[in-house]
This record gives sequence, C-alpha cells and structure tokens, in this order.
Amino acid sequence: AQRVTQPEKLLSVFKGAPVELKCNYSYSGSPELFWYVQYSRQRLQLLLRHISRESIKGFTADLNKGETSFHLKKPFAQEEDSAMYYCVPRRTSGSRLTFGEGTQLTVNP
Amino acid sequence: GAVVSQHPSRVICKSGTSVKIECRSLDFQATTMFWYRQFPKQSLMLMATSNEGSKATYEQGVEKDKFLINHASLTLSTLTVTSAHPEDSSFYICSAGGGGGPNEQFFGPGTRLTVL
Repeated sequence: AQRVTQPEKLLSVFKGAPVELKCNYSYSGSPELFWYVQYSRQRLQLLLRHISRESIKGFTADLNKGETSFHLKKPFAQEEDSAMYYCVPRRTSGSRLTFGEGTQLTVNP
Repeated sequence: GAVVSQHPSRVICKSGTSVKIECRSLDFQATTMFWYRQFPKQSLMLMATSNEGSKATYEQGVEKDKFLINHASLTLSTLTVTSAHPEDSSFYICSAGGGGGPNEQFFGPGTRLTVL
C-alpha cells in the first residue's frame, strides 16, 4: 500500500536550535518526493523537491532510498519557520499528490 | 510564479442548498486540477482529479453526485456541493498543475464552507 508517515504531529524547538521533521514513505517504484509548507493563514506552497537537491530557506531534505525516508532538516531554526509541514510523495509527474498527516512546527523565541 | 485563485473564500449557506466553488489558474493553463478537503487540524484529503474536457476521477468514498466537478476550460474548474448538509462544512482547496517547473502543483487559498 502507498503510505507516507510523519511520526510527529507536533514539534517544538527553540530559535537557533536544529530541527528535523521526519518522513517515511512506502511506495511502489521510485516516487518523486516533495515537502510542502503552510504558514498561518496562507496557502500551501512547495518548499522543496528531492530531484532539485536544493536548499530553500535553509532547509534541506535528503532522499534515503534504503530507509525510504525523506527527512527535512534545518541547522538553525527561526521563528518564521513556524508552520505546518507536509511530506508528499508522487508516483509520476502530473499525478496525484499523497499528503501525510503533517507536522506542526513551532519555533519558540 | 503561477497563481491559483478560488472564489468565494468563505461561504455560509443553509442546509439543502447548493454551493459552487470556482478554481482559476490566473497566468497559466492547467490541464489538470485537483480538489481537496481539509478538516480542522487534519491533513488534505484528495477528493477528485479534474482533467479539462473530460469527466473527473473521484477518490474512493467521494460521492460524485454530491460533489459535481466541471473543468470546462484550461483555466477554470468548479466544484459544486449539491444539497449541502452540516457535515459538508469544511475547507475546500484546489490545486492546478502545468504552470511551473515540470513537477509542480500550485494551490489555491481555499474556500471555507459552513452549512447551517
């Protein structure tokens, strides 16, 4: 079965601390993987995608096919990073996205 | 970047009435649009995939006669909640593909439906 798991529904850290949002997936084939973010009162937006191997707003995510994980990391969290984060796999380009339960990140001052 | 709009942003209606929600891609052509439903403090649940000029594909458990989807042009898809009831109250979000990088979907701001 196709499944994505974000084990932490809530994650709270202090400003300047490292943060890691975990994501594990169970998917046939080689899915594309994304992280989407939803800031308070704003629409969902793409944060980063695994094929780009980019760093956005200080966040990175490495795809580990052996562990089927795509954890999101940032070495120094900022208050403006507080948001809901979704790990999202997709089988092929243009196909449906499968949203995980999401992790609500709170960065305290 | 590509922009997706939804109208209305908020609607309150009486039980038994029908409500239409529009999703528009403002500066790109969207061959595929997706409709999601989000309950408070929960994740997005895909309701249906809408392809321009063809019938929508509904997810299991979603009543197609209850949630009518029309995708008549490359920039507009509509979701009509027919004979709405209080349990249909939710946040409805659309997304559209085709306007950005090869794999990107762009999300609308959502529509808050409250059925009294």
